[in-house]
Amino acid sequence: QVQLQESGPGLVKPSGTLSLTCAVSGVSFSTDNWWTWVRQPPGKGLEWIAEIYNNGDTNYKSSLKSRVTISADRSRNQFSLKLTSVTAADTAVYYCTGGQSGTYHHDYWGQGIPVTVSS
Amino acid sequence: EIVLTQSPATLSLSPGERAALSCRASQSVRNLAWYQQKSGQAPRLLMYDTSHRATGIPDRFSGSGSGTDFSLTISSLEPEDCAVYYCQQRSNWPPTFGQGTRLEIK
Repeated sequence: QVQLQESGPGLVKPSGTLSLTCAVSGVSFSTDNWWTWVRQPPGKGLEWIAEIYNNGDTNYKSSLKSRVTISADRSRNQFSLKLTSVTAADTAVYYCTGGQSGTYHHDYWGQGIPVTVSS
Repeated sequence: EIVLTQSPATLSLSPGERAALSCRASQSVRNLAWYQQKSGQAPRLLMYDTSHRATGIPDRFSGSGSGTDFSLTISSLEPEDCAVYYCQQRSNWPPTFGQGTRLEIK
């Protein structure tokens, strides 16, 4: 059974950097999957942020591209998100998700981690 | 960017009734997925490739559609179906989600 678990600070100061990690278990990170970060502001819908493929290729939401980085540590079976210069608009529940290569849906979801941007 | 518009925004029905949720795309998409999000929980995959049920999803859930018009039908509502339902496409870049339909069970 594939399990994803987010970790990281729940509070980040404005203009600071949000750093989250997603630990993947139940499947080797090197198998043919893609991994993403999706966020959900309070009371709002879902927003795709970034994704990384098992070959290291990455893609980012255009409006966030200058501030976001997704990376993977295959030796630890985990991937990470960094979002710089955060503002209150970045306050959200952040989910790590994944899917199988060649498919178009998010098979796997973490439980989500709430992050608040506030001084 | 493809915009997915879901309707209605809120649906309030009684147990045993049939629910029909709509997802309309601003451009044609090859396929669609649906997710169910219960209060305080992460989304869960319900349907993929428009009409395939994910593992463990009861057969009262069905999906259909093509091009720009898609739908999720729940044939006979159960109290546990109370949730927000999101459609999502990833066949056109960038991946996008609809804004959600809130399903209330009376």
